[in-house]
Amino acid sequence: DAKTTQPTSMDCAEGRAANLPCNHSTISGNEYVYWYRQIHSQGPQYIIHGLKNNETNEMASLIITEDRKSSTLILPHATLRDTAVYYCIVSEFGATNKLIFGTGTLLAVQP
Amino acid sequence: DTGVSQNPRHKITKRGQNVTFRCDPISEHNRLYWYRQTLGQGPEFLTYFQNEAQLEKSRLLSDRFSAERPKGSFSTLEIQRTEQGDSAMYLCASSLVREVTDTQYFGPGTRLTVL
Repeated sequence: DAKTTQPTSMDCAEGRAANLPCNHSTISGNEYVYWYRQIHSQGPQYIIHGLKNNETNEMASLIITEDRKSSTLILPHATLRDTAVYYCIVSEFGATNKLIFGTGTLLAVQP
Repeated sequence: DTGVSQNPRHKITKRGQNVTFRCDPISEHNRLYWYRQTLGQGPEFLTYFQNEAQLEKSRLLSDRFSAERPKGSFSTLEIQRTEQGDSAMYLCASSLVREVTDTQYFGPGTRLTVL
């Protein structure tokens, strides 16, 4: 079973920041938080990952709470092309590192 | 394009036929994963390879399924005697294991429809 809880869906206005929450209250010390997104009928696209510290790249920012029990993915200026299902996954680097996906959050960016 | 590629992109077959899918990972990636995704669900892990060795198989991978990665480069996934329940998107991902992270990059998937 997925170790994360995400809202089923969210709306965001085009040009505004999209803040996608994720709860992972049972995360262990060596588990990373990964975010992927999947645009309809395409393969999942890697966005960002982090362990403890906040991370930023050209696509998004990842804010992880100090107790690591939750995180927020921030898309700073959402566009219509950001409409997708966003998956938050916790994964331990180790033997397999298989990703266990939940059902994710469907983000709908509105014009 | 140097991403993960999968062929074919779509496959329609009749129940009982065998099908084979191919995945070409990102060059020099040493891990290759197969996932399956049904409508409305997130992808589910099937199996993975480190170089040419198949190191783990999910219980979802029945004995009708077989995967190979003969030279540690491309991989094939074969389904024998297909059933309607095999209809799904089959996704391949590759990664380069180094230090303490192992970020997987996915291909576009092969959509299988079993009639």
